[in-house]
This record gives sequence, C-alpha cells and structure tokens, in this order.
Amino acid sequence: EVQLVESGGGLVQPGRSLRLSCAASGFTFADYAMSWFRQAPGKGLEWVGFIRSKLYGGTTEYAASVKGRFTISRDDSKSIAYLEMNSLKTEDTAVYYCSRTYTWNYIDYWGQGTLVTVSS
Amino acid sequence: NFILTQPHSVSESPGKTVTISCTGSSGSIASNYVQWYQQRPGSVPTTVIYEDNQRPSGVPDRFSGSIDRSANSASLTISGLKTEDEADYYCQSHDSSNQWVFGGGTKLTVL
Repeated sequence: EVQLVESGGGLVQPGRSLRLSCAASGFTFADYAMSWFRQAPGKGLEWVGFIRSKLYGGTTEYAASVKGRFTISRDDSKSIAYLEMNSLKTEDTAVYYCSRTYTWNYIDYWGQGTLVTVSS
Repeated sequence: NFILTQPHSVSESPGKTVTISCTGSSGSIASNYVQWYQQRPGSVPTTVIYEDNQRPSGVPDRFSGSIDRSANSASLTISGLKTEDEADYYCQSHDSSNQWVFGGGTKLTVL
C-alpha cells in the first residue's frame, strides 16, 4: 500500500525557516517524481514545486511565489522528499501536501498534509 | 498570467447530471492537458480525471472530462449524482512556463 506521511509542520515566525519531510512507503521511491502542494485555510489548491526522479536528472521546478525561497530535495536511500522553506511569510501559512507524481499530468497519491503557520 | 476560471458553486439533486466548467484566460486550453481533483470536506484531494478525459482506476465511470476548444474550456461531468459526490472540485493545467495552474474550485452541493 502506497503511503506518504508529511511531518515537520508547526508554528514559525516570519522570516524564519522550516523543513518539511515526506516519508514514502509501499513503492520504489526512486522511480517517481514527487510534488508539493499547499492549501491556505479556507482557500484553494496551489502548486509549490516538483522534483524529478534521478532517472530524469532529479531536477526541480517551482511556483513563482516560492522560487528562490523554497527548495525541494530527495533522499532515495531513505525514501524521503523534503521541502526546505526559507524567509517564510505570513502568506505561506497553509496545509502542505506531498504527492507521488506518476506523470507530469497525473498525481496518483497524496499525503495527509502538515499544517504550517507563519505568525509572530 | 494564465488563469482558470470555475463557477464558485453548483448544486443538483441526487440521480441527476451536473457539469462543472473550467475556462482558460488566454491561449488554447487544449494546448496542455487538464486534470480534475475532488476534495471532500476535511479530506485530502484525489484525482478524478487526468489528461483531459482519463479516469484513474477506482474512479467510477459516472465521472467524465471533456474539452471544448471553441469555448476554450474544459468540463467535468458527473452523472447519476450521489450524496458522496458532494465536494470541492478543482481543475488544473499548465501555463506556457510549465507552471501548474489551478482553478479557484467549485463547491458541488447534492441536495
């Protein structure tokens, strides 16, 4: 059974950093791209970014709203994807979801999400 | 900026058919695939349609997707509505810079 479990969320002050983890199980993690999405309280879905599998270079893509502040990485030996968030702003407050990206157009599994609250 | 516009809400009775539209702001919505996601209250999103009209395994064939090139829009149609279909539905595509773009979401009420 495919499982994605996010962790690392919490309350953080504006300007500080936070690292989220997404622990994967039930599939060969190295074979898949992984994406991060977020959803502000009471709002819609927003794409954060994406990391390809090593087979496709392990390269990343980011939403314009987070580019330069957020970094996605992966540790295939541990089956974990990371979202490093720097220079956090109050508008980054959201539930953050990781997901398995079967293809560029198909998200087939989502994690349960972790809440990040940016507030002083 | 490429924007996808959805109706804020739709409602229909059980057993009926409902269609949710997703209109592109510029260019051709047919240039990139459109996906649809369902998010029930308090739950995680799930994919109900990908690549315009493909259903993931486990999604009932009551769900279908289509593209109307003349209207520059995509549609999600749900037939034989059930109360369990009550959810927020989001369309999604890509812009010319390969950024993922979501519509604002449509709240479906089945009453």
